[in-house]
Amino acid sequence: QAQLVQSGAEVKKPGASVKVSCKASGYSFISYGISWVRQAPGQGLEWMGWISPHNPNRNYAQKFQGRVTMTTDTSTSTAYMELRSLRFDDTAVYYCTRDQGHDFGDVWGKGTTVTVSS
Amino acid sequence: DVVMTQSPLSLPVTLGQPASISCRSSQSLVYSDENTYLNWFHQRPGQSPRRLIYMVSNRDSGVPDRFSGSGSGTDFTLKISRVEAEDVGVYYCMQGTHWPPRTFGPGTKVEIK
Repeated sequence: QAQLVQSGAEVKKPGASVKVSCKASGYSFISYGISWVRQAPGQGLEWMGWISPHNPNRNYAQKFQGRVTMTTDTSTSTAYMELRSLRFDDTAVYYCTRDQGHDFGDVWGKGTTVTVSS
Repeated sequence: DVVMTQSPLSLPVTLGQPASISCRSSQSLVYSDENTYLNWFHQRPGQSPRRLIYMVSNRDSGVPDRFSGSGSGTDFTLKISRVEAEDVGVYYCMQGTHWPPRTFGPGTKVEIK
């Protein structure tokens, strides 16, 4: 069945960058986009952006414009999300989820905890 | 951006009793193809969200039939006909009509009395 496997937890200092991976299996990677959603401790879900694996289309939430880059590697069926200039309030669990236009969120990764600490 | 609101934000429930969560959007979620892209997710503590309902009223595979979704335009409801212990957690509505950005409601925390 379709599955998204994310990379492990990260601890970063303020100002650093983090790159989280999301490896897809059990379906055609290029047939579905990937969205990234984050959840700060005790908070709700926040959509960060979307990328289509089979063309260069991306959409980023305005809040993250200039700080986030989403990429894919179709040879390994893996999506990546890089967030730069990390701040303390970037501490969160980062999820990837399958996203095909109006069909959003039927498959989720288990999440990657990113902790920003000095 | 479309703003999603939910009520209540906290919902104590009795096992075996029904429960209902309301979700409202700041504008109509009817898309130009006449479909309405409103999803419901459930998140248990320490777990990833799980989609329960898509396009207002369609249950995802494996979702018990005690869960049902309804509504139209800007007003939507998730109902649990008889709450079970495994239903605790936070429920989020999310609109997929007007994006980017995708927007979620603030969440409704369901707990057993």
